This record gives sequence, structure tokens and C-alpha cells, in this order.
Amino acid sequence: QVQLQQWGAGLLKPSETLSLTCAVYGESFSNYYWSWIRQPPGKGLQWIGEINHSGSTDYNPSLKSRVSISIDTSNNQFSLNLRFVTAADTAVYYCAKGPCTTTTCSGIDPWGQGTLVTVSS
Amino acid sequence: EIVLTQSPGTLSLSPGERATLSCRASQSITSFYLAWYQQKPGQAPRLLISGTSIRATGIPDRFSGSGSGTDFTLTISRLEPEDFAVYYCQQYGSSPLTFGPGTKVDIK
Repeated sequence: QVQLQQWGAGLLKPSETLSLTCAVYGESFSNYYWSWIRQPPGKGLQWIGEINHSGSTDYNPSLKSRVSISIDTSNNQFSLNLRFVTAADTAVYYCAKGPCTTTTCSGIDPWGQGTLVTVSS
Repeated sequence: EIVLTQSPGTLSLSPGERATLSCRASQSITSFYLAWYQQKPGQAPRLLISGTSIRATGIPDRFSGSGSGTDFTLTISRLEPEDFAVYYCQQYGSSPLTFGPGTKVDIK
């Protein structure tokens, strides 16, 4: 059963870079796309982007100029960097598996435990 | 970008009642690429249904999905106490992936 464990700094100042990492256990890393999603307090879900095992990425255009997702296949980990954060980037950030494999798509499942990142001066 | 609209915003029902949640897309979605998630306070979302109507592993059969084109529905046949939560629809057929704003199902 696949499990995702994520970590990273929870408090940032404006203009700093948000960095989070997600480790994948119990699943073949190479067969799937891996996503980052965020949720501002009390609000809905926003897809940030995804990466596959070969490093191919796709980003939400609203964040594309500031975001990068990378992968470390040797350690079954993938990471999120979001540059020049502002208060508007305050959210719970989730890593997750999916929604697609190399051959099909079936939703985002499972999700990491979430990391609250607060941006405040 | 495909915009998803969910209605109602809040649904107040009693345990045992039937819940019908709607998700409407700004343009046609291939049915294969529509999912529903359940989120409880302080928890990550959980996949309920993918491909419009395919229940995820471990999801009870009181949850069902239907629809096509731009109109999709999640039905909970008889609400159990643990079903009171927020439900999101999501499309994953077109980038960027997008979520609806959610429907809160609360206890009447």
C-alpha cells in the first residue's frame, strides 16, 4: 500500500522560497505521475503541478513563473519549490499520487498528510 | 481552463437521507476524467470516485457517480454519520487540472 510522507518549512517570510519534499513508500515510483496540490485555509483545492519519473513536468499557468517540481528517483522522492512567496501562498500543501500512470488515469490517490505553510513578515 | 461549478454550496440533511450533489463543467469533459473527493476537517481529501462512476478501493456502494458531457452527479444513497463532509469534483483530462469549489454536506 503506497504511503506518502512530506516535510518542509512551515513559516516563511515574503519573497522567500517555499520548499517541500515528499517521500513515496510501497509503490513503484516509475509508473506514475506525482502531484502537488494546495488549499488556503477555509478554501478549496488548487492543483500546482505534476512530474513523472523521467522528470517531465506540467504546471498550473497561474503559478508557472514561480514553481518548479523535481524528482529524485534514487530515493523515491519528489519536491516542490515556489519562489517569491507572498501571504496569498499561505496554504496547506499536499503531495499526492496521480492522477495518471504512464498508460491510464484514475484520480489522485493517495494524498500526503499535508503541510501548513504560513507566509508572514 | 475548465471551470467546475458545484451545487448546492451547502446541503443540510439527516442521517439516512439521500444526498445528490451536482458538478457542472464550463466545457465538455470526457467521462473518463471526472473524479469526486471527500474531505473531513483537518484531513487530506480522499478519492471516492474516478472515471465518473468507478468507486475507489474501499468506498462503500452507497456512493455512486453518474453523468456525461458537462453535467455530473455524486449520489449518496443513505447518509451515514461519517459522510458529513465537504465533497469536491475534479477534472483531470485537460491541463490545468481543476477542482470545483466544493459542496458541504452537514447535519440538519
